[in-house]
Amino acid sequence: GAVVSQHPSWVICKSGTSVKIECRSLDFQATTMFWYRQFPKQSLMLMATSNEGSKATYEQGVEKDKFLINHASLTLSTLTVTSAHPEDSSFYICSATTTRGWANYGYTFGSGTRLTVV
Amino acid sequence: DAKTTQPTSMDCAEGRAANLPCNHSTISGNEYVYWYRQIHSQGPQYIIHGLKNNETNEMASLIITEDRKSSTLILPHATLRDTAVYYCIVRSSSNTGKLIFGQGTTLQVKP
Repeated sequence: GAVVSQHPSWVICKSGTSVKIECRSLDFQATTMFWYRQFPKQSLMLMATSNEGSKATYEQGVEKDKFLINHASLTLSTLTVTSAHPEDSSFYICSATTTRGWANYGYTFGSGTRLTVV
Repeated sequence: DAKTTQPTSMDCAEGRAANLPCNHSTISGNEYVYWYRQIHSQGPQYIIHGLKNNETNEMASLIITEDRKSSTLILPHATLRDTAVYYCIVRSSSNTGKLIFGQGTTLQVKP
């Protein structure tokens, strides 16, 4: 089945630094990737949608200059949290899908990244 | 995007069937119903999806009402490992096809 690998699984960083999270589709070409954020005891909140080779589309209220998304290839998307602050501490999850043979892959999620900013 | 309504929580005895309801009264004709679950601190796991016909796979069955305004996810023989938050999602009809999560149902399977 479709597999999405997300790294790191957890990261601790100092306030003011930047953190990069990677999301890779291992056995299919991810034409579209999604990034979500989840706070404790809450549901997943969609942050942005990225199509390969295009700029990401951000949901309302999500700062595009703070959460940089790059989807340069069909198997890799990255989310960089710039100048992280404690309020950015959260669980970040990526999801990938494809328009190529979509019925075989659907939407597949990564295992998530726990970010703690101290 | 069509919104979904699910009960906040449910309990189920181990070995019994778990029936999780979902209302999606504003669903449009070309929108699919998806079910995912999330075990604590993990990414969501796909369970099943359907358009208008009932669907069954190795994990669960999905029953969609004829008017498509509601559906039920059935786990035929719940185990303790099925304890999770279950999300019923209607896929966006926009070109991006994004999945918007509601609050989900916390299913507690008890021995």
